[in-house]
Amino acid sequence: GAVVSQHPSRVICKSGTSVKIECRSLDFQATTMFWYRQFPKQSLMLMATSNEGSKATYEQGVEKDKFLINHASLTLSTLTVTSAHPEDSSFYICSAQRTGGSSPLHFGNGTRLTVT
Amino acid sequence: AQTVTQSQPEMSVQEAETVTLSCTYDTSENNYYLFWYKQPPSRQMILVIRQEAYKQQNATENRFSVNFQKAAKSFSLKISDSQLGDTAMYFCAFMLFTGTASKLTFGTGTRLQVTL
Repeated sequence: GAVVSQHPSRVICKSGTSVKIECRSLDFQATTMFWYRQFPKQSLMLMATSNEGSKATYEQGVEKDKFLINHASLTLSTLTVTSAHPEDSSFYICSAQRTGGSSPLHFGNGTRLTVT
Repeated sequence: AQTVTQSQPEMSVQEAETVTLSCTYDTSENNYYLFWYKQPPSRQMILVIRQEAYKQQNATENRFSVNFQKAAKSFSLKISDSQLGDTAMYFCAFMLFTGTASKLTFGTGTRLQVTL
C-alpha cells in the first residue's frame, strides 16, 4: 500500500529558530501534497497545498512567509517554520495522493513541534 | 465552500455493541467523496471507509458501514461489534472530485470510547 513518511516525528526548538519538516511519498509519485495543522483536541486545519514545481497555495490566514513550503520533486515536500514562536507549537501532518485524483489521501505520522 | 459538521463531541459504547457516529455536510457540488478517518492516540490518521457520492449503495468495510443520504447531506458511520481498539477520534471528511488531488475538509471530530 501507499506510504507517506514524515520526519521528524518530534522536534523541540528555541524561539526564533527555524524548523524543517519533510514529507515523502515512498512508493508513489505525488504532484500535490497537503499540509495540515492540528491543535490539541481539535480537528485538522488545512494550511497549504504543495504543488510540485510551482508555488504552494496557502489557505486564508496562513502566513506564507512564516510557513515556507518547497515541493522540489514528485516525492518530497518540505514545510519550514521560520522564526518559530511558542504559538507555533502544534502537530503538523502532511498528506499525499497518487496522481489521478480518485485515490484516497494518505497521511504521514505527523510532527509534534514544541517551541520553547 | 464546503462544511462538515459532527454534532457529537464524545460518544461511549460498550464492547461488542453497535454505535453510530453522525456527520452532515454542506455543498453545492455533485461530484465528491466522503470519508471517515480514525485517529488513535498515536495521532496517525487511518482511513476507515470512503463513499463516492455518485454511488447509491452504502459503503461497507468489515465492521464499519455508512448510511449515506445524499439528499439530506448526511453521512453517518456505524461500528458494529465494537472493540477496545476502536477507541479513537473519528473525523468525517469531504473531498471534492476534480480529477486531480483535492484537499480534505474535516469535521470537528467525535471522540469514541469503547468500554468493557
